[in-house]
Amino acid sequence: DAGVIQSPRHEVTEMGQEVTLRCKPISGHNSLFWYRQTMMRGLELLIYFNNNVPIDDSGMPEDRFSAKMPNASFSTLKIQPSEPRDSAVYFCASSLPSANTEAFFGQGTRLTVV
Amino acid sequence: AQSVTQLGSHVSVSEGALVLLRCNYSSSVPPYLFWYVQYPNQGLQLLLKYTSAATLVKGINGFEAEFKKSETSFHLTKPSAHMSDAAEYFCAVNSDTGRRALTFGSGTRLQVQP
Repeated sequence: DAGVIQSPRHEVTEMGQEVTLRCKPISGHNSLFWYRQTMMRGLELLIYFNNNVPIDDSGMPEDRFSAKMPNASFSTLKIQPSEPRDSAVYFCASSLPSANTEAFFGQGTRLTVV
Repeated sequence: AQSVTQLGSHVSVSEGALVLLRCNYSSSVPPYLFWYVQYPNQGLQLLLKYTSAATLVKGINGFEAEFKKSETSFHLTKPSAHMSDAAEYFCAVNSDTGRRALTFGSGTRLQVQP
C-alpha cells in the first residue's frame, strides 16, 4: 500500500482565496483524521470521520473550515476564505477503528497564506 | 478527558549517550499510549505503542518505553544515541471511551551532538 496520500504537498495562496486540501487514506481503514501542526499550538485534531461520517469536529477553528468524506477513499479539507493565521502544516491520517491501533500519517500539506 | 505532557521541549545528547524523553499521561480510563517520530518535512511515523500487554515495549530503531501506571508515565529510551536519531518525538494517548482519536503532547526535539 502506498500509505496515506495528501495533495498538494505545498500550497501558497493569497488571503481571501479558497483552499482545498485532499487526502486518500489507506485502503481498509475506517477512520480518518485531519490534524494541524503549528509552532505555537503543536498538533491539533481538527476533525475525524468513522465510516465516512464526521464524529467529532470540535477542533475545527471556525466556520471558514469544512471537511467532507464523500467515500471511503477520499476526503477534503476546505478553507474559505483563507487567512494568514491559517498558515500551518495540515496532516491527514487514517487507522482501523479501534483505539488501540496506530494512526498512519500522510506527508502533510504545508499551507502558506500571504 | 485525556492528555499527555512531555517534559522538555528540547533535549541534547552526545552520540553514544543514553536518550531519555519523558511523557506523562492523564486518562480516566486505561490508556493506549504511542510514541511517534517526525523527521524534517515528513509526516509522523510510529515508533512503538502500549496496548495493555507487556509494560515494556520495544519499538523500531532500538527505542523502547516502559508503561508505569503508578507514575502515569511512558518514557522513551534508547541506550545509545545515533546521529540519525535527531528528530522531533511525540507522545500520544488514546482510550476506548470518549473521543477515539490520538491526543498528542507538545513534542520534544532531540539533538545529537557528535
